[in-house]
Amino acid sequence: KAGVTQTPRYLIKTRGQQVTLSCSPISGHRSVSWYQQTPGQGLQFLFEYFSETQRNKGNFPGRFSGRQFSNSRSEMNVSTLELGDSALYLCASSGGRSIETQYFGPGTRLLVL
Amino acid sequence: AQKVTQAQTEISVVEKEDVTLDCVYETRDTTYYLFWYKQPPSGELVFLIRRNSFDEQNEISGRYSWNFQKSTSSFNFTITASQVVDSAVYFCALSIVGNTGKLIFGQGTTLQVKP
Repeated sequence: KAGVTQTPRYLIKTRGQQVTLSCSPISGHRSVSWYQQTPGQGLQFLFEYFSETQRNKGNFPGRFSGRQFSNSRSEMNVSTLELGDSALYLCASSGGRSIETQYFGPGTRLLVL
Repeated sequence: AQKVTQAQTEISVVEKEDVTLDCVYETRDTTYYLFWYKQPPSGELVFLIRRNSFDEQNEISGRYSWNFQKSTSSFNFTITASQVVDSAVYFCALSIVGNTGKLIFGQGTTLQVKP
């Protein structure tokens, strides 16, 4: 079974721009969660989607948004980028027999200049 | 509020030494899961183990073992006979049943195994 895939792997943007990151979950997994990882704040939960609905949300500003499609693929969008948005963005999927366990993708490394 | 603490920021050992990574968690919820993940330099978080709050049995998988103690709210991870390939950042995480899709991570422990 193919694992979680994320595109692009690396991205460089400038302040004020917006960015869209994509995540394809493991086949059959319907839940997708997003996390931001920075050296200062560590791994922080952004939001979780299940069957195209956002079920849970972390403590991030409204500039961070996401969506999920009918094939369970998910995107997250960050508008009006700030320098502090530079981070590794990780996507995880869960489902099937061990729905509680999240399996992570390789991440998208975003640099905001 | 829930919290996970990994007090050891960095650990350095020589190959073949045993090493224990500590994890202490806080929650008032009675039903939860605990996890360990490994993050090699490539960045991807690799799932190692899951434990639910009702299962305090220790587990051994090859060179890895886990000690879950609810009385001390700890979920420690031991690597026996460490190898250079074990070098990575290790994260302990907590999820609360009902708080869907959210993992609460500790700050991570960087393990360096020297040859």
